[in-house]
Amino acid sequence: NAGVTQTPKFQVLKTGQSMTLQCAQDMNHNSMYWYRQDPGMGLRLIYYSASEGTTDKGEVPNGYNVSRLNKREFSLRLESAAPSQTSVYFCASRLQDRVSHEQYFGPGTRLTVT
Amino acid sequence: TQLLEQSPQFLSIQEGENLTVYCNSSSVFSSLQWYRQEPGEGPVLLVTVVTGGEVKKLKRLTFQFGDARKDSSLHITAAQPGDTGLYLCAGVGGSSNTGKLIFGQGTTLQVKP
Repeated sequence: NAGVTQTPKFQVLKTGQSMTLQCAQDMNHNSMYWYRQDPGMGLRLIYYSASEGTTDKGEVPNGYNVSRLNKREFSLRLESAAPSQTSVYFCASRLQDRVSHEQYFGPGTRLTVT
Repeated sequence: TQLLEQSPQFLSIQEGENLTVYCNSSSVFSSLQWYRQEPGEGPVLLVTVVTGGEVKKLKRLTFQFGDARKDSSLHITAAQPGDTGLYLCAGVGGSSNTGKLIFGQGTTLQVKP
């Protein structure tokens, strides 16, 4: 049971380049989330998918797109990277029960945009 | 917009000292969680508090949810170097169906031997 996996672990992009961050979970969870973490700002929600086939904007969606490919996989795409998108990106998943709300996080992708 | 203010942002203490981290909001949350994050890893859930006034203990860690469900605290007794890390509080926002979390800014704790 790998839990939540993310690829790549590190990436350096030049301004204007595009890339896709991959996330997969093997816990049969319904909901998946993408966050970014910047110093002193906690984690901020970029996009989420409450269930397979649906996606919704979070707090900071501008400059990003997402795809819920199937129940296991949720990808985050940067179409034209900007230095302001330098951050650590975390994917998370949740079973979607009304009691726990526990989210399971991947190890993160550290992205630098120059 | 729901916000969570966490304080202090940084804490450096000696092994054996006690400490308290606070998480405050003007909004009511249905539940509140505390996560711990180590360098290079994702956050890991420590506890969820659901009922106003609830107190939960996890070994030397004591978590409390305010009566009005707007604030929470984490108290560590006799801190050890292994407690070093980033502590994040998170409130469950929006409908319970989406499970969206609102995170505080985090408290970086360093416990020196």
